[in-house]
Amino acid sequence: DAMVIQNPRYQVTQFGKPVTLSCSQTLNHNVMYWYQQKSSQAPKLLFHYYDKDFNNEADTPDNFQSRRPNTSFCFLDIRSPGLGDAAMYLCATSRDPGSYEQYFGPGTRLTVT
Amino acid sequence: KNEVEQSPQNLTAQEGEFITINCSYSVGISALHWLQQHPGGGIVSLFMLSSGKKKHGRLIATINIQEKHSSLHITASHPRDSAVYICAVPGGGADGLTFGKGTHLIIQP
Repeated sequence: DAMVIQNPRYQVTQFGKPVTLSCSQTLNHNVMYWYQQKSSQAPKLLFHYYDKDFNNEADTPDNFQSRRPNTSFCFLDIRSPGLGDAAMYLCATSRDPGSYEQYFGPGTRLTVT
Repeated sequence: KNEVEQSPQNLTAQEGEFITINCSYSVGISALHWLQQHPGGGIVSLFMLSSGKKKHGRLIATINIQEKHSSLHITASHPRDSAVYICAVPGGGADGLTFGKGTHLIIQP
């Protein structure tokens, strides 16, 4: 049974048109992460939620926002997608920060036209 | 910031060969992750280890905390092992991961 689910798996949006990616988990984990992986590059952490506390990485553009309405769901909002935002977006969860295994969703591949 | 280096970047081997992928990092850590990514994007956690050695089936991971180095070994490699293998360490906010660039492994029949 899938434990971290991402929808949609593939998303096409137009330049400048807001888009929302969804992640849900059945693990009841406290921490949810969003990573961006551009073609042939390593994934890069954008931000995380630790329970209801949101923290973005220092170099995450303001164009990226996130919402976590409850423990199970987390959303990634891209307010005005640019061509450079085309990437695979990976959601992951962890029971707590620190030395705990991370569980990844299948990813959403975003195309910007 | 922790710098994570993997080698080799690309590896092609014949079925049955013993495979070794290396990872080094620059700052001391509490644990290191080995991950597998297949074409299409999904990432699967293989190991998380903080000392010594772990084994799961044909996969073995070792870590030397003093030398800041870890290795992933695959015994009796099989074409289905073909994937990108990624080493990652905690270091981001709330211990999000910093990833190595990955090793693209191809096992030929």
